[in-house]
Amino acid sequence: AQKVTQAQTEISVVEKEDVTLDCVYETRDTTYYLFWYKQPPSGELVFLIRRNSFDEQNEISGRYSWNFQKSTSSFNFTITASQVVDSAVYFCALKDSNYQLIWGAGTKLIIKP
Amino acid sequence: GAVVSQHPSRVICKSGTSVKIECRSLDFQATTMFWYRQFPKQSLMLMATSNEGSKATYEQGVEKDKFLINHASLTLSTLTVTSAHPEDSSFYICSAITTSGGAGEQFFGPGTRLTVL
Repeated sequence: AQKVTQAQTEISVVEKEDVTLDCVYETRDTTYYLFWYKQPPSGELVFLIRRNSFDEQNEISGRYSWNFQKSTSSFNFTITASQVVDSAVYFCALKDSNYQLIWGAGTKLIIKP
Repeated sequence: GAVVSQHPSRVICKSGTSVKIECRSLDFQATTMFWYRQFPKQSLMLMATSNEGSKATYEQGVEKDKFLINHASLTLSTLTVTSAHPEDSSFYICSAITTSGGAGEQFFGPGTRLTVL
């Protein structure tokens, strides 16, 4: 069965600290895609990244970086030098051979000034 | 590109009335659209998948007579909440894809917040 686990329900850090959001997934498919979305208080989902199962290269985009480890079925997301504007709920999601998305429960990130 | 709109963004209605939510792909043709609902502090829950010109496929536990979905064109899908009740109050989000399988990335609408009094 496909499953996405975000064990951290809520994380609170002080501005400028680094923070890592964990995502562990389960799938039997060899071809799949992993996503991270940000959902600010407005509710609109903001696409952050898509990674396919054959590309294990880590990615960095500004203060954001992602660590994809197939050996541990994890796709963790790190924000460096966090800012108050990073406060939001972050969702990890999996898309396998079926085009539906399987969502994690989300991690609420609170960045305190 | 790949913009999805939803209308209305917010709606408040009285119990027993029906509410229609529109989801439009503005700059691409959407072969498949998805409808989600999200309760406060929870994740997205897939309600149904709709393909243009055919009946929607509902997830287990979702009442098809309660949540009517119409995907009449490649750019428009509608969700009608019939005889809405307070427990139907939720955040409804649609998404659209252009191709099935592969990278078929879902593009999300901004959501519709429904409050039933």
